[in-house]
Amino acid sequence: NAGVTQTPKFQVLKTGQSMTLQCAQDMNHNSMYWYRQDPGMGLRLIYYSASEGTTDKGEVPNGYNVSRLNKREFSLRLESAAPSQTSVYFCASRTAGNLFSYEQYFGPGTRLTVT
Amino acid sequence: AQSVTQLDSQVPVFEEAPVELRCNYSSSVSVYLFWYVQYPNQGLQLLLKYLSGSTLVKGINGFEAEFNKSQTSFHLRKPSVHISDTAEYFCAVGKTSGSRLTFGEGTQLTVNP
Repeated sequence: NAGVTQTPKFQVLKTGQSMTLQCAQDMNHNSMYWYRQDPGMGLRLIYYSASEGTTDKGEVPNGYNVSRLNKREFSLRLESAAPSQTSVYFCASRTAGNLFSYEQYFGPGTRLTVT
Repeated sequence: AQSVTQLDSQVPVFEEAPVELRCNYSSSVSVYLFWYVQYPNQGLQLLLKYLSGSTLVKGINGFEAEFNKSQTSFHLRKPSVHISDTAEYFCAVGKTSGSRLTFGEGTQLTVNP
C-alpha cells in the first residue's frame, strides 16, 4: 500500500515550457486535490476532484489544468510555465462518506523550479 | 467561506519544555479541525483531528489540542518537546458539508538542545 505517489520528485522548466505532474492513490479514495506550497503562505488549493468525473477550481487555478483520469489518478498540467509557478506541489486524497476519515492523505511533493 | 490564522510563524523552544501552537479559525458553519505536521522535505502527516464529541483530542507523538467553539480556537499543545518535533505545523479547517480544507500559513517549531 503505497498511499499517494507523485512523479516527478523534482523538475526544472524554462519559462513557456509545459509539463504534467502525475498523482496516483491506491486507497480507493473518492476525492483528490492539488495544492501548492509557498513560504509563509501555507498550502493553497489549485484544483480538486470531489469524485471521479468531476473537477473544480480552488483558490489559485490560473495557469493550471487538471484531469481526473480514473478513480486512482489525478494529473496537474502547466501549459506555459511561468516563474511565479515555482513552488512545491502536493497531491492529496480523501475518502468520502465516512465520518472518521475526513482527513486528507498527502503525497511526498514535487519541487518545481521555473527559470 | 472559512479562514484559518496561525498566530505565530516561528516558535523556538528548548528540549523538554512545553509548547503551544495557536490556531484561530472563522466560519459561519460547522467545521472539522485538523493539525498536520510536515518534516523537512516531506509531505504532510495528520497529527490529530476534531470531528465532534470531546473538545480535547489527543494525537500522535504526545500532541493534543483543544477545540474552543466560543473562542473559535484549536490550539496545539505538547507538555515536553523533543528535538525530533522540529517541523512545520499546519492547522486546517473544513466544512462538515464539504470536501475542501483551508490551511493556515504554518508555524515552524524549532526545538533546541
